[in-house]
Parts: sequence; C-alpha cells; structure tokens
Amino acid sequence: EIVMTQSPATLSVSPGESATLSCRASHDVSSNLAWYQQKPGQAPRLLIYRASTRATGVPDRFSGSGSGTEFTLTISSLQSDDFAVYFCQQYIRWPPELTFGGGTKVEI
Amino acid sequence: QVQLQESGPGILKPSETLSLTCQVSGFSITSGKYWGWIRQSPGKGLEWIGNVFHSGDSFSNPSLKSRVTLSADTSKNQISLRLTSVTAADTAVYFCARGADYMEVWGKGTTVIVS
Repeated sequence: EIVMTQSPATLSVSPGESATLSCRASHDVSSNLAWYQQKPGQAPRLLIYRASTRATGVPDRFSGSGSGTEFTLTISSLQSDDFAVYFCQQYIRWPPELTFGGGTKVEI
Repeated sequence: QVQLQESGPGILKPSETLSLTCQVSGFSITSGKYWGWIRQSPGKGLEWIGNVFHSGDSFSNPSLKSRVTLSADTSKNQISLRLTSVTAADTAVYFCARGADYMEVWGKGTTVIVS
C-alpha cells in the first residue's frame, strides 16, 4: 500500500496570507495525485487532479505542483471560505489502489 | 447537475451485513464513468472501499476485498455496496462518488454505526 503523509497537521494562517500544504507519497505515483477540501459536516470537494489541474469551478488561488513522491498545494490570498481540512489522494491504475493522506487543517 | 444520495440502515449489529445504495440523478451511470465508495472514520480518516462500472466491472481495496461486493443497477440508475461481517471498525460515514481515479463529485454521505 502506498502511504500518503501530509504536513503539517494544522496550519494557522491569517486571511489574505498564503498557505503551503505538503503531501508525500511512500512510492512514486507520478502525477496521479488529487487534492480535496472538506468542511465540517460536508463531503470532500475535488480541487486539483493530475497534481496540478484545477477542477471545474475551483478558483485560481488554488494551485498544485509536484510529481513522483513530493507534492504541494498552495492557496494564495486565503479567504474565510478556505478554512477547512485538505486531503491529498494518490491513484495508481495497476494494481488499482487509491489512498488518502491524513489531512491538513487550515485554521485562522 | 449530477447528484448522489447515499442511503442505508444507520445502525447494525456486529457480524451483520451492511447494504448501502447510492441513487444517482442528473447523470446516467452508463455514461462511461466509474463510481466509487469511500468511508471516513475518526480513527482511520478517509479510506477507499472500491469502484464499480455500470457493467459490473469492479475493483476494491485489498484490505476489504474479501468482504466487499459492488454492483450497479442501470434500471434504477444506482450503485450498491455490500459489506459482510461488520465490526465496530466499520463504523464510519460512507460516501459514494463519481470517478475511477480521483473523485469528481461526492454524495453527502450516510452514517453507519456498528454496535
């Protein structure tokens, strides 16, 4: 199983600042990496797929980068709506396996 | 606009079989997409359960594979999850979602308690 490790567990930032979230894979996953945002009581929402492609409707202040085992989600100019938990998820096709990171909570 | 709605028993006892359905609206499940199940518990975070195609082709998490059955009912436009021999460790919020690799659209989830 590919283990996904996110850091930090909690990130305290102020509105208007930028946030950088990290995700590390235990094995090379190429660019098969997605990022999700989850707010309390809600389902996760897809933000980024293929490591750097924004999903439909996602503001351009969200950007993803990386490949192989090291990935980053950057949120520029944080807005109040961005305070949430962010998860990374890898997907490899063969054998099919999807695993999630433990999440980073972005708080004020 | 595609919407997914999970439904299930809410509470069940250890050793019972969990059956969940996901009603898909606004999109045909036969339209070339895979459909997945993911669960979330405080102890284990987000855990992928498996994915199914409308043809019945499916793949699942090796750790759950022996207990999981995934299926699709094209006449009802819904997908289903069956998990046998549940224990307290299966207590979680269960989500269905559209996608094979990354999950594009998610349902709101349904809470399952094993007690």
